[in-house]
Amino acid sequence: GNSVTQMEGPVTLSEEAFLTINCTYTATGYPSLFWYVQYPGEGLQLLLKATKADDKGSNKGFEATYRKETTSFHLEKGSVQVSDSAVYFCALSGDRGSTLGRLYFGRGTQLTVWP
Amino acid sequence: NAGVTQTPKFQVLKTGQSMTLQCAQDMNHNSMYWYRQDPGMGLRLIYYSASEGTTDKGEVPNGYNVSRLNKREFSLRLESAAPSQTSVYFCASSGDRGFIYEQYFGPGTRLTVT
Repeated sequence: GNSVTQMEGPVTLSEEAFLTINCTYTATGYPSLFWYVQYPGEGLQLLLKATKADDKGSNKGFEATYRKETTSFHLEKGSVQVSDSAVYFCALSGDRGSTLGRLYFGRGTQLTVWP
Repeated sequence: NAGVTQTPKFQVLKTGQSMTLQCAQDMNHNSMYWYRQDPGMGLRLIYYSASEGTTDKGEVPNGYNVSRLNKREFSLRLESAAPSQTSVYFCASSGDRGFIYEQYFGPGTRLTVT
């Protein structure tokens, strides 16, 4: 079946540090992969996505590359800011022909950035 | 363009009481979803609706019912609330962009059952 495993948090960094949040997945076929971000007291927002192997999603300085050979989609940012403090969720969608639109989420990783 | 809206934002229930969580989207999306979020558990799918007139169970449907009232609205009902249903509930919707299903989330309903 489909599942997502994220590194456990919390992750605490100083401003301008390099960020990596690991995400690996198990899926049948050709899923799309997503990173969502949840700021305190809010719903989830799409941060970036990749739809096929070797695609790189990027947004707001964050990047993640769809690696089919290692079944991974690690989130990276070269220099984090205090405003990046949030919970980050890795997710995958079902394959074509599967239950359309359903997402499978990891457990989330809490990131705190100190000035 | 409000996106996905949810009411109420907060609710406290006593065990055994019933309530309905409301969700509406104005993006003309076909698919809608209800999730619950618990600490350390990520988001778990309760029910979803792939199109108007259809609903299906997700991972944790027990104790809940849903209604897809029309294309815009998808409600979640707790018939007899239990403390285990204390959680944050999120509604989401997604449209068709080929096979790329990006979901758009509402702000959530924080429910406490005492």
